[in-house]
Amino acid sequence: EDKVVQSPLSLVVHEGDTVTLNCSYEVTNFRSLLWYKQEKKAPTFLFMLTSSGIEKKSGRLSSILDKKELSSILNITATQTGDSAIYLCAVEPITSGTYKYIFGTGTRLKVLA
Amino acid sequence: GAVVSQHPSRVICKSGTSVKIECRSLDFQATTMFWYRQFPKQSLMLMATSNEGSKATYEQGVEKDKFLINHASLTLSTLTVTSAHPEDSSFYICSARALGVLNDEAFFGQGTRLTVV
Repeated sequence: EDKVVQSPLSLVVHEGDTVTLNCSYEVTNFRSLLWYKQEKKAPTFLFMLTSSGIEKKSGRLSSILDKKELSSILNITATQTGDSAIYLCAVEPITSGTYKYIFGTGTRLKVLA
Repeated sequence: GAVVSQHPSRVICKSGTSVKIECRSLDFQATTMFWYRQFPKQSLMLMATSNEGSKATYEQGVEKDKFLINHASLTLSTLTVTSAHPEDSSFYICSARALGVLNDEAFFGQGTRLTVV
């Protein structure tokens, strides 16, 4: 069964710290891996990764995929209180006829002022 | 990014009644829409996938007669929770994808918090 696991489940840091969130997956063949940030309601898209070893960057956030290790990391540098959220990792398996995502457990990040 | 509108954002209903939740893609045509359920402090659990004009594909353990999904057009999907019970109280989120355009990622609605009393 396809599975996505994130670690840690929760994390508390202080403003200015750097955090690394992990996502590992057990999916035989996949099309893409995605990261989302969920604050109060709808998840918002952060990154889509399809190629191994290529870092994607947006401001203080960056992410990279390691297909050999079946994992991805999301880095946040110089964290701010506004980064407090649940970070969700999702994998899209290559399954004929469907384009669904399998979401991980999420990492709840709290950044203290 | 593209906009997905979900309505209502919050609903309280009596046990035994039905509730309809709408999900609309406002500025793109969604070839596929997804419905998720999220329990407090937990991740998104996929309930079903729907493609416009065809029957929804339900995930294992999701009762198709209880959670009716209709995807009548490329911009609208509805989820009807029939004969709702307190255990159906949850946060329901839809997402929409326009495959082949908009980088393929899914865009999410704002979610609907359903409380069954």
